[in-house]
Amino acid sequence: GQNIDQPTEMTATEGAIVQINCTYQTSGFNGLFWYQQHAGEAPTFLSYNVLDGLEEKGRFSSFLSRSKGYSYLLLKELQMKDSASYLCAPPGNSGYSTLTFGKGTMLLVSP
Amino acid sequence: GAVVSQHPSWVICKSGTSVKIECRSLDFQATTMFWYRQFPKQSLMLMATSNEGSKATYEQGVEKDKFLINHASLTLSTLTVTSAHPEDSSFYICSARTKLVPYEQYFGPGTRLTVT
Repeated sequence: GQNIDQPTEMTATEGAIVQINCTYQTSGFNGLFWYQQHAGEAPTFLSYNVLDGLEEKGRFSSFLSRSKGYSYLLLKELQMKDSASYLCAPPGNSGYSTLTFGKGTMLLVSP
Repeated sequence: GAVVSQHPSWVICKSGTSVKIECRSLDFQATTMFWYRQFPKQSLMLMATSNEGSKATYEQGVEKDKFLINHASLTLSTLTVTSAHPEDSSFYICSARTKLVPYEQYFGPGTRLTVT
C-alpha cells in the first residue's frame, strides 16, 4: 500500500499561512495529487506534482520530493472558505490510472 | 468544461432492495470511470475502475456481484447496489478521466445512500 500519512486536523486563522504535510510510500511513481473536499461534497482537484520542487498556483502551492516520499500543500492568505479536508493522493502502483487517498487533513479556518 | 454529474444526489431505500446510481460526463468523453465509497470521516476508497465497453476491475474486498458496474457508453457509467443492507449506507462518488488529460480525474458531486 501507499502508507499515506497526513495530520488529522489543523487549525489556522484568516489571513495566515498553513502547510499541510504528507508522507507516503509507493512503488512505481507518477507524481502526486492534492484534492480539496468540503463536507458532503466530492473532491476538487488542486494540484498535480510530477517533478520535484514547488509548484505555485495562486494562493495554493504544492511541493514534492520523490526521493523522500514527501509532499506539502501550502495555503496562503487563508479564507474561511478554505475550511475543508485536504487529501493527499499518490497514484497507485499502476501509475496515475488509480489514486489512493489518505484520510485527509481537516483544516479549520477561524476568524 | 469537464463536468461530471451523478443521479440521484441522495437516496433512501429499504434493506434488501437494489439501487442504481448513474454517473455521466456532460461535456467530454470519459474513457475511464471510477467508483469510490466514503464512510463518515474516512478516506475515499476506490471500489472499481471501468473502461467503456469492458468489464469493471474491482478492488480487493469489493464484491462484484453486489456492486454491479456498467459502463455502456463514453458518457455513462452506472453502479447498482444489489440487495442493499444498512452497512452499505455511504457516500458514493464517481469520477471520470479523459484521454486528453489522462492524469486528472473529474469527480461527480456524489450520491448519499441510506439503507433502512
